[in-house]
Amino acid sequence: GESVGLHLPTLSVQEGDNSIINCAYSNSASDYFIWYKQESGKGPQFIIDIRSNMDKRQGQRVTVLLNKTVKHLSLQIAATQPGDSAVYFCAERRVFGPGTRLSVLP
Amino acid sequence: ETGVTQSPTHLIKTRGQQVTLRCSSQSGHNTVSWYQQALGQGPQFIFQYYREEENGRGNFPPRFSGLQFPNYSSELNVNALELDDSALYLCASSLKGGSGNTIYFGEGSWLTVV
Repeated sequence: GESVGLHLPTLSVQEGDNSIINCAYSNSASDYFIWYKQESGKGPQFIIDIRSNMDKRQGQRVTVLLNKTVKHLSLQIAATQPGDSAVYFCAERRVFGPGTRLSVLP
Repeated sequence: ETGVTQSPTHLIKTRGQQVTLRCSSQSGHNTVSWYQQALGQGPQFIFQYYREEENGRGNFPPRFSGLQFPNYSSELNVNALELDDSALYLCASSLKGGSGNTIYFGEGSWLTVV
């Protein structure tokens, strides 16, 4: 069946550095991906999405890259801030990966 | 604030009991989805409702059921509760066919089954 997973369960970065969170998927027919941020005690918050007809999409301080050849996508956060500390999920439509916890060190 | 509100925020039930969780979707959103999130895991899709009809279901048994009302609010009902049903239950609303299909989640209802 389908699966969406992450390479790293935890990631610690220094404040101001760039963060890269990776995600792999198994279904080559997947056509729509979403990144969510979930802070403690809250529901997931939409960050950015990308469709399979694109390789890259940029938002405010975030960039998502999609490599359909190897079925991999990544979320890049520029100039990581303490408020970026959270669990990040990639999802293929309704199928969520297990999440990566991002910790921003002062 | 996402405009999606869920109630109750926390509740404790005994194994075998039944529970009803409620969700008010963001104004104008006609699609509601429910997810189960166990501690330390990603959300798992339970089902989706569009204009009061079930419009997709995940791998959950029939004792998980739902309703969507004319005002697009929704309920999740779970019968014959099991210990493994303990989780955060998330409601998400969206506008089907809307640009970007952005989904807005509520803060969830924490269910503990003892």
